[in-house]
Amino acid sequence: SQQGEEDPQALSIQEGENATMNCSYKTSINNLQWYRQNSGRGLVHLILIRSNEREKHSGRLRVTLDTSKKSSSLLITASRAADTASYFCATGVAGNKLTFGGGTRVLVKP
Amino acid sequence: GAGVSQSPSNKVTEKGKDVELRCDPISGHTALYWYRQSLGQGLEFLIYFQGNSAPDKSGLPSDRFSAERTGGSVSTLTIQRTQQEDSAVYLCASSPTPTSGETQYFGPGTRLLVL
Repeated sequence: SQQGEEDPQALSIQEGENATMNCSYKTSINNLQWYRQNSGRGLVHLILIRSNEREKHSGRLRVTLDTSKKSSSLLITASRAADTASYFCATGVAGNKLTFGGGTRVLVKP
Repeated sequence: GAGVSQSPSNKVTEKGKDVELRCDPISGHTALYWYRQSLGQGLEFLIYFQGNSAPDKSGLPSDRFSAERTGGSVSTLTIQRTQQEDSAVYLCASSPTPTSGETQYFGPGTRLLVL
């Protein structure tokens, strides 16, 4: 079963616009990670935020975490066509096995 | 390259047959994970190995599924008497240690289709 849900399920934007997606989870966590998946294949790690952090940046990515609401958001600024992919949040539990959200499919139109 | 590799890339099998999926983790990574991605269930954890410790099999959906990791390196996931609902992409990942929050490096996956 999945830890949480992502919203929206799909997002279509124009190149240059920002893309925001949200993730909610159910149980207490040590950290939350975001992964990207192209073409239904392997996942690529994007960014990790720990439970004692509220915001983190990496290049054009900005992640927030609100543990009181059990939610996180991923913002991609100045999107590019190459950002077209599915984005998943994942929470780490014992032994680092990951529990994934349902994912957000992002389409960036040139 | 030196990433996680999986074979085969695609596998088509008939219902009732057994299949073996292979994963070669990044050299030196002690932790290895199997996940399954299907339309109905999303991405779900199956099993994880850490060094010589007993594997965490809590995610395996039935006793038709088993996995082993030989010599702390290569892993095989075996599905016996395949069913149509086993059709999915099977993803393997490895990490240097099993520490919570450690980045996991994923392979390209094996796409399994059971007819």
